[in-house]
Amino acid sequence: NAGVTQTPKFQVLKTGQSMTLQCAQDMNHEYMSWYRQDPGMGLRLIHYSVGAGITDQGEVPNGYNVSRSTTEDFPLRLLSAAPSQTSVYFCASRRQRGDQPQHFGDGTRLSIL
Amino acid sequence: TQLLEQSPQFLSIQEGENLTVYCNSSSVFSSLQWYRQEPGEGPVLLVTVVTGGEVKKLKRLTFQFGDARKDSSLHITAAQPGDTGLYLCAGMDTGGFKTIFGAGTRLFVKA
Repeated sequence: NAGVTQTPKFQVLKTGQSMTLQCAQDMNHEYMSWYRQDPGMGLRLIHYSVGAGITDQGEVPNGYNVSRSTTEDFPLRLLSAAPSQTSVYFCASRRQRGDQPQHFGDGTRLSIL
Repeated sequence: TQLLEQSPQFLSIQEGENLTVYCNSSSVFSSLQWYRQEPGEGPVLLVTVVTGGEVKKLKRLTFQFGDARKDSSLHITAAQPGDTGLYLCAGMDTGGFKTIFGAGTRLFVKA
């Protein structure tokens, strides 16, 4: 049982490059989300999706795009990478009800030079 | 904007000591969760509290949700080195779509 799978685990980009972080879950969860984790700031919600074809913005959406064409996949796109986007990115999924546990991937560590 | 303030940010204690971590907000949350995170991994859920005043126990860990559902605490009795990690509280907004995380408490338990 794979759970939530994120790829790649590490990536270094140059300022201005674009990139897609992949996230896939095999638990048939309706709700998926992307967070970034920075030192001393906990996890901040970037975008979330309540089902295929439906996405919405979180706390820090600027500079990121998402789409949800299938229940399983929820990719995060950096349009034009900036040093401020250097962070560890986590994808999570859960059942629709808000008090359900979120299952997290192991993260993607992204450095923007 | 809903905020969750977690304290302390860092805690270093000896094995066998007790500790309490606090999570406070001026906003009401429909539920609150506590996660634990190990280096290089994603957070893993420890507990969810839903009802104001609710107390849940998980072995040596005791979780409490404030009566007004604005705050929560995590108490660890007789801490062990295996308890070392980053503890995160997370509140679900009343709409049920957005989870707000605290900044985390990094706990180090020395043998």
